[in-house]
Order: sequence, then structure tokens, then C-alpha cells
Amino acid sequence: KAGVTQTPRYLIKTRGQQVTLSCSPISGHRSVSWYQQTPGQGLQFLFEYFSETQRNKGNFPGRFSGRQFSNSRSEMNVSTLELGDSALYLCASSLGDSQETQYFGPGTRLLVL
Amino acid sequence: QKEVEQNSGPLSVPEGAIASLNCTYSDRGSQSFFWYRQYSGKSPELIMFIYSNGDKEDGRFTAQLNKASQYVSLLIRDSQPSDSATYLCAVSGGATNKLIFGTGTLLAVQP
Repeated sequence: KAGVTQTPRYLIKTRGQQVTLSCSPISGHRSVSWYQQTPGQGLQFLFEYFSETQRNKGNFPGRFSGRQFSNSRSEMNVSTLELGDSALYLCASSLGDSQETQYFGPGTRLLVL
Repeated sequence: QKEVEQNSGPLSVPEGAIASLNCTYSDRGSQSFFWYRQYSGKSPELIMFIYSNGDKEDGRFTAQLNKASQYVSLLIRDSQPSDSATYLCAVSGGATNKLIFGTGTLLAVQP
């Protein structure tokens, strides 16, 4: 089975712009979770989508949003980018039982200038 | 108090030794416990998961869980330089039902 894929792998944006990141889960997986990873804060949970519905949400401002499509692919959007949004954004997929193992994609590295 | 705590390290061990990585968690209702390994510049990859008290072995890796003490550990036997990475402890199934990660322990295996 193909693993989790994320596009693009690298992005450079300027403050105030918006960005959309994409994640394709492992075939058959219905849950997609998004994380932000920075050197100072570690892995921070953004949100989880299951069957096109947001099932869980972390403590991030409303500038961070997401959605999931009927084929389980997910997108994450960050509007009005700030310098502090520079990070590695990871998505992880699982079958859907929230207790189950999550498998990570390679990540999208975002640099905000 | 952080929800999942790990010593940031670095933990330095000689090649062939046992590396012991520790993690404590605050939510007593947590049910699932995971160890991920993350090489620099890469994404986390699952090493092991454990749900029940006691030990679980997989090759050179042993996960240990003590729910009464809210403590989970990972032992790496016969450590190799290729084991040098950051090890992330993750916990789920508590009140928020989210997967919560510790900040990771950097392991350095010296040849």
C-alpha cells in the first residue's frame, strides 16, 4: 500500500498570504489528523477529520482550518500567515478508530518570510 | 503540568548498550501509548504501541507500561548508531480523545 502523501513538500510564503496544504491518506483510512511541528513546541495537534467531519480540534486560532473530501483526502488552510507559522506541517492517517495507530506523511515544510 | 512529559536529552549511550527512554502522562484515563522515532528532517515513524500494563517486546525494542504510575518507557537493546534519533512518546484515549505527543528525547548512540 502506498503511504501517506503530502503536497507540496516545501513552501515559501510572505506574511499576510494564505496557504493550502494537501494530504492523501493511506488507502482505506478514513481519519486524517494534522499537526504542526516546531523546534520549540514539538508536535502540536491541529485537528482531525473523519468522514468529512471535523472530529477533534486543537488550540489553534481560526486562521487554521481544514476540510476532508469524500475520498478521505484532506486539505489544511492557513490564512493571513504570520512569521510564527513557519513549521513542519504533518498529516497522519488512521482507519478511524481514534485509539488506532496513526501513520505520518513526509510533511510540508512552510517558511514564512 | 504538561500532558505528556519526556526528558529532552540528549541521552548518550555507547554502541551495544541498552538505551532507556522514559515518558510520563497526566491523564489517568489514557488507554493507548505509542513510541515514534523521528530522524532529523524526517517525519515520525511508528516503532511500537502498547495498551496493557506490562512489557511488550518487538525485536530489539521493549515497551513498558505502568498505568498506576502513569509511566511508559522504551528500551532499546544492543543500541546502534542508526538508532540515533528523537523518540516521541504519544498518548491517546483520555478525556480529549486526542493523540498527545511529548516533546521527544534525543538519543545519540556513540560508535
